[in-house]
Amino acid sequence: AQSVTQLDSQVPVFEEAPVELRCNYSSSVSVYLFWYVQYPNQGLQLLLKYLSGSTLVKGINGFEAEFNKSQTSFHLRKPSVHISDTAEYFCAVSDQQGGKLIFGQGTELSVKP
Amino acid sequence: GAVVSQHPSRVICKSGTSVKIECRSLDFQATTMFWYRQFPKQSLMLMATSNEGSKATYEQGVEKDKFLINHASLTLSTLTVTSAHPEDSSFYICSARTGALYGYTFGSGTRLTVV
Repeated sequence: AQSVTQLDSQVPVFEEAPVELRCNYSSSVSVYLFWYVQYPNQGLQLLLKYLSGSTLVKGINGFEAEFNKSQTSFHLRKPSVHISDTAEYFCAVSDQQGGKLIFGQGTELSVKP
Repeated sequence: GAVVSQHPSRVICKSGTSVKIECRSLDFQATTMFWYRQFPKQSLMLMATSNEGSKATYEQGVEKDKFLINHASLTLSTLTVTSAHPEDSSFYICSARTGALYGYTFGSGTRLTVV
């Protein structure tokens, strides 16, 4: 079975500052990793995913994440955030058989002017 | 891109009644759909996985008789909350596996309030 831990429930940051949202996972098998963003009362939008290959993954809206197998981490970063990035961010994992997505607890990113 | 349409977006029902939530894949065939439940300020908890033409697989602790899932066609899956109670009030989200490599697309969610 897989599990995901997002280490920060809330991350406040000023506009144009860099941000890192942390995610660690646990699994006995190889996994695929995902980051999603959720705006209030909406579904989830995929930011990026790691399936294989380069450990640095670039996604939409200027976000990127790095897969670190030895540290079982998949932290999300953005060099300069905007007010519009204020949302809930979820890290998720699935096994490589294309099974269900297991989500972390979520991190609320709050960007202040 | 792959789109999943979820309806209704909001519903208020009286305690003891049943509510049906629909998820339709608009431009692809969804052989597998997932149903999640999300409490305020919390994560998405997987309730069940539905495969077209077969019975849904429920996660541990989810009452299959209370949360009825039907996936009768390749484009439609429904979740019926039977005999709803206030504790069933929540945000329900469906997701479908798309044709893209390990792509999952999500519906916009349904806010259920039981009064």
